Amino acid sequence: QKEVEQNSGPLSVPEGAIASLNCTYSDRGSQSFFWYRQYSGKSPELIMSIYSNGDKEDGRFTAQLNKASQYVSLLIRDSQPSDSATYLCATSGTRAGNMLTFGGGTRLMVKP
Amino acid sequence: KAGVTQTPRYLIKTRGQQVTLSCSPISGHRSVSWYQQTPGQGLQFLFEYFSETQRNKGNFPGRFSGRQFSNSRSEMNVSTLELGDSALYLCASSFRPGDEKLFFGSGTQLSVL
Repeated sequence: QKEVEQNSGPLSVPEGAIASLNCTYSDRGSQSFFWYRQYSGKSPELIMSIYSNGDKEDGRFTAQLNKASQYVSLLIRDSQPSDSATYLCATSGTRAGNMLTFGGGTRLMVKP
Repeated sequence: KAGVTQTPRYLIKTRGQQVTLSCSPISGHRSVSWYQQTPGQGLQFLFEYFSETQRNKGNFPGRFSGRQFSNSRSEMNVSTLELGDSALYLCASSFRPGDEKLFFGSGTQLSVL
């Protein structure tokens, strides 16, 4: 079983809708969680980080964390075709430093 | 401000050869980490360097090695290449370990024939 699990998709949503991306993790001691966006042929780019239970909002993006359920999600409101990409969930687990464990990613397609 | 620079962008090697990849972090960043990305396994951590010292190492064989220089530039080396080493190798930098805001370079696409 992978330490960080994501549905590979593709997740298809119409333009203007809310896209909901989900991630589960196995290391109960994990403290830090990240969402990266990776366009095809490009490198990952950090879009959100979350450390505490609850919601964290940044523009059209909301990250949600539930440590009891070992669940992280990313909501994208008013989805745009430019949001079409692979979204990677990552955690640093209980380790110090920049040793991140990534999920396999969810491919999001936003249709005009 | 220049981003993370990785060279070369593409590389083709044959089995048994060795390869060296280079990474120049963002100016002022002293932590460099390396990741391997493949369609099957996704992004996997290789190693992390800070102040010329390896801080963490992922679950890869000893054929994978790296180092960091005093100017924070880093290199990784893969010896005795295998077909399964074909991947995108990504370098990421941050100010320090634990910063956790990683900035990734464009990567080196390695093909082993």
